[in-house]
Amino acid sequence: QQQVKQSPQSLIVQKGGISIINCAYENTAFDYFPWYQQFPGKGPALLIAIRPDVSEKKEGRFTISFNKSAKQFSLHIMDSQPGDSATYFCAAIPDTGRRALTFGSGTRLQVQP
Amino acid sequence: DAGVTQSPTHLIKTRGQQVTLRCSPKSGHDTVSWYQQALGQGPQFIFQYYEEEERQRGNFPDRFSGHQFPNYSSELNVNALLLGDSALYLCASSLRVTGDRGYEQYFGPGTRLTVT
Repeated sequence: QQQVKQSPQSLIVQKGGISIINCAYENTAFDYFPWYQQFPGKGPALLIAIRPDVSEKKEGRFTISFNKSAKQFSLHIMDSQPGDSATYFCAAIPDTGRRALTFGSGTRLQVQP
Repeated sequence: DAGVTQSPTHLIKTRGQQVTLRCSPKSGHDTVSWYQQALGQGPQFIFQYYEEEERQRGNFPDRFSGHQFPNYSSELNVNALLLGDSALYLCASSLRVTGDRGYEQYFGPGTRLTVT
């Protein structure tokens, strides 16, 4: 059972463009929604995160938009750069004491110069 | 400030063998979680250790076991290796506190396990 669905599977964006990755969840107990960036051969790196009581969070060129009623959230990368080329994972953690991350399937982003 | 470290980096084992992977958490963190990441997929939660005890466990068989030491470092053991155990094994550390800091998990570089 995939509790966090992520799309698209891959994304090609031109340098300077906006990259948008979408995720949807099913478990209403999820209480924290981080995004991770992973380069080949490396572990995932925490990029930005949001709680469900906030509709938007921005850190630099990265913005999370959150729609609690639709159970959807998205990552926007503004002014995308070739160095942003990586795999991005959305994830979620419940508030019930478990601290296990449930990951989406990942989006492979390629930013062309 | 030292991040999460894992050893070894790569490992090749034969089907049926046993393997031990090691993890040192980020300085100041007291909780260690282990994840398995198959090629092209998102990480899957194996289990989490806090205060030297397994606190939560994902959908993995008993062949997967672990340990946490008093200095918060941890080991992941896999017995009777199967070809399907080939994956990147990731360790993540966190701090068991209330608030957003308690949710943040920081990953190590992983151990690439190949079972032949």
